[in-house]
Amino acid sequence: GENVEQHPSTLSVQEGDSAVIKCTYSDSASNYFPWYKQELGKGPQLIIDIRSNVGEKKDQRIAVTLNKTAKHFSLHITETQPEDSAVYFCAATFGRAGSYQLTFGKGTKLSVIP
Amino acid sequence: KAGVTQTPRYLIKTRGQQVTLSCSPISGHRSVSWYQQTPGQGLQFLFEYFSETQRNKGNFPGRFSGRQFSNSRSEMNVSTLELGDSALYLCASSLGGGDPSQAEAFFGQGTRLTVV
Repeated sequence: GENVEQHPSTLSVQEGDSAVIKCTYSDSASNYFPWYKQELGKGPQLIIDIRSNVGEKKDQRIAVTLNKTAKHFSLHITETQPEDSAVYFCAATFGRAGSYQLTFGKGTKLSVIP
Repeated sequence: KAGVTQTPRYLIKTRGQQVTLSCSPISGHRSVSWYQQTPGQGLQFLFEYFSETQRNKGNFPGRFSGRQFSNSRSEMNVSTLELGDSALYLCASSLGGGDPSQAEAFFGQGTRLTVV
């Protein structure tokens, strides 16, 4: 089955600095890559996603890049703020047409130090 | 529109007992997936139901089972509880259709199960 590796497992940055989280996936057929943010006591929430026909996508301070050849994708958060502190999960689709499933990385705990 | 609702939010059970968790998906979503979340293990996939049928299954023992009703609501059952079953159980709903982006998961807040 699909395997998604996520690094680092923990990340501390100073407020205002950038944070980068990287993921690699094993199934070359994967073509949809969402990122989720989980705050304490809540379920994960989608923050940005990218499809395999796009190399980069931005949404304000958040961007995701995808390298299909190398089978890795990354989340970039610029000008970090204390409210960015959370656990972030990457995911990739696997499966066949009509029955896609998400496989998640193990998560990155991001701490933004004021 | 209303989000994914999981009940109950918290449960304390004794070893050997069984437990049933409930999940109401977003209206129109036909796929419901269940995940177990423990510290350091991320989101481990239990199973997925689509149109009342189990469509995908993770690597969990048979003590973990589920079902889905005609209104897409889903239940997960764990029998003969063990201490190691203590975790946050998350349910996620999605459209579940033929396009990969329809796998986009919307999560509930989870049920925190503690086995003592």
